[in-house]
Amino acid sequence: QQQVKQSPQSLIVQKGGIPIINCAYENTAFDYFPWYQQFPGKGPALLIAIRPDVSEKKEGRFTISFNKSAKQFSLHIMDSQPGDSATYFCAATRNFNKFYFGSGTKLNVKP
Amino acid sequence: EAGVTQSPTHLIKTRGQQATLRCSPISGHTSVYWYQQALGLGLQFLLWYDEGEERNRGNFPPRFSGRQFPNYSSELNVNALELEDSALYLCASRGAGTEDQYFGPGTRLTVT
Repeated sequence: QQQVKQSPQSLIVQKGGIPIINCAYENTAFDYFPWYQQFPGKGPALLIAIRPDVSEKKEGRFTISFNKSAKQFSLHIMDSQPGDSATYFCAATRNFNKFYFGSGTKLNVKP
Repeated sequence: EAGVTQSPTHLIKTRGQQATLRCSPISGHTSVYWYQQALGLGLQFLLWYDEGEERNRGNFPPRFSGRQFPNYSSELNVNALELEDSALYLCASRGAGTEDQYFGPGTRLTVT
């Protein structure tokens, strides 16, 4: 059973647009939800993370929205730039014991 | 401050051989996680080491094993290599009492 489901698989937006990537999780015991950005040939880099007691968190142009009752969380990228073109992964963990990752979203921001 | 380092960058092995991958965490970090990322797929959790002990492992066969050394560096061993073991193997480290894990650049393992 897939613990974290991510959608869409790929996304194309124009520069300045607001791509939204969605994730849904199964286990209500998860207590930490990070997002990672990965460029080709590189390891993932932490973007932003949230705890389930918070409904929204912003860091620069990146915002996480968290809906505990729906067991869903999403990443919004404001004023997207071509340099944001990368693959984005959501993840979830309980007590940092084991991280479950979504399948990834390949984002292409067109100039 | 140096990030997580992994060696080698690339590794080519033949089916049935053994592979050893190495990871050096960020200085001061005591936890090391290992992941497998098959081409075009997400990350699959392999192993978690903390303070020298194996704390958890993912749904992988026993031929995937590893250890963590007293200096917190870690080694992943894959025995009896199979073609489907070809993937990018990523290591991440996390400091005690902190939330964030930081990834290395990975080792690309190719099994022929």
